[in-house]
Amino acid sequence: DADVTQTPRNRITKTGKRIMLECSQTKGHDRMYWYRQDPGLGLRLIYYSFDVKDINKGEISDGYSVSRQAQAKFSLSLESAIPNQTALYFCAISGQGFGGYTFGSGTRLTVV
Amino acid sequence: DAKTTQPNSMESNEEEPVHLPCNHSTISGTDYIHWYRQLPSQGPEYVIHGLTSNVNNRMASLAIAEDRKSSTLILHRATLRDAAVYYCILREGATNKFYFGSGTKLNVKP
Repeated sequence: DADVTQTPRNRITKTGKRIMLECSQTKGHDRMYWYRQDPGLGLRLIYYSFDVKDINKGEISDGYSVSRQAQAKFSLSLESAIPNQTALYFCAISGQGFGGYTFGSGTRLTVV
Repeated sequence: DAKTTQPNSMESNEEEPVHLPCNHSTISGTDYIHWYRQLPSQGPEYVIHGLTSNVNNRMASLAIAEDRKSSTLILHRATLRDAAVYYCILREGATNKFYFGSGTKLNVKP
């Protein structure tokens, strides 16, 4: 199993629909993150969580919400999807300290 | 927010060394310098990180300027599989957050 699993891998949804992207990990790390990547650009932080009871906004949290259901699960929701939320979404995890992230394979979301 | 500046693209010949530069003039004393790479259709992959001293691992070397305002990722012998977008990132000491820039697209020629 991959360290970080994202589902679904691809999704097409209609404007105004609610959609949830899920992320689960097998490393036992406390810290989980959601990033968004637009074509030709770097990643931008949406939300992050340092433990189950900790949720923090990132650079671009408007229009998104998250839920940390368990240490291993961190979900990203779009309450009412809009076309400019079409992007590649990545979940990442990290341990404590200043080590690196491990990223999932991404979810490609298209809002039509 | 911590920021980095990298060239948009670079080109290298296979089996030659590659030096990827990064400027981070606003770095603070507790910020770590990280490098990631992203292959097409994949998530970013950790390459290396450091604070003040130069670092080596099996993938690459990281050379950090004495004033820490710039760093260089060194791939000692580029292969075709090293063609990717390379991101130089600062991990903020105060918040543990990463901020990604646009990265450098490395093209490796056979």
